[in-house]
Amino acid sequence: NAGVTQTPKFQVLKTGQSMTLQCAQDMNHEYMSWYRQDPGMGLRLIHYSVGAGITDQGEVPNGYNVSRSTTEDFPLRLLSAAPSQTSVYFCASSRAQRAGGAFFGQGTRLTVV
Amino acid sequence: QQPVQSPQAVILREGEDAVINCSSSKALYSVHWYRQKHGEAPVFLMILLKGGEQKGHEKISASFNEKKQQSSLYLTASQLSYSGTYFCGTEFTGANNLFFGTGTRLTVIP
Repeated sequence: NAGVTQTPKFQVLKTGQSMTLQCAQDMNHEYMSWYRQDPGMGLRLIHYSVGAGITDQGEVPNGYNVSRSTTEDFPLRLLSAAPSQTSVYFCASSRAQRAGGAFFGQGTRLTVV
Repeated sequence: QQPVQSPQAVILREGEDAVINCSSSKALYSVHWYRQKHGEAPVFLMILLKGGEQKGHEKISASFNEKKQQSSLYLTASQLSYSGTYFCGTEFTGANNLFFGTGTRLTVIP
């Protein structure tokens, strides 16, 4: 059972570089979200999607783009990496927020130098 | 919009009980509880819906006070495996996303 798969697990970027964090789920979940986790800040919502073709901003969307062309995939793009984007990124999926809990991927530890 | 959790950290001896609180300033539709061990992803524990009952799973249970927009997680007769950081996630009425608190670090010692 794969669940939610994130790649890569670790990444180092130089300031100004762009990259895409991949997230895929095989549970046919409607809801998918991206969070970043920083020490003492908990999990903060970046972007989320309630279904294919539908995305919306969360609490901290600046500097990130998302798209949802299929139910399974929800990539997160960093447009021009900044040191402030150094963080651990988690992708999560669920059938619906009210139908049950979210399943998280194993995370991507990103360092921007 | 983040819910407020308390305490920030707690240390228990095996067998002791603990309560973790989560409160919001906005009307809540549901409250989720997750546990995250160091270096791992958060894992779902339970969800409490508006108008729902108190939930429980073995020695971990939770309540949801809709009027006060508060939820509490109860850990009874703690075990070493309970150690980790506990997060509450809140869903507001009319919204489609989940906002998490800053977490409560629970350490259980022998």
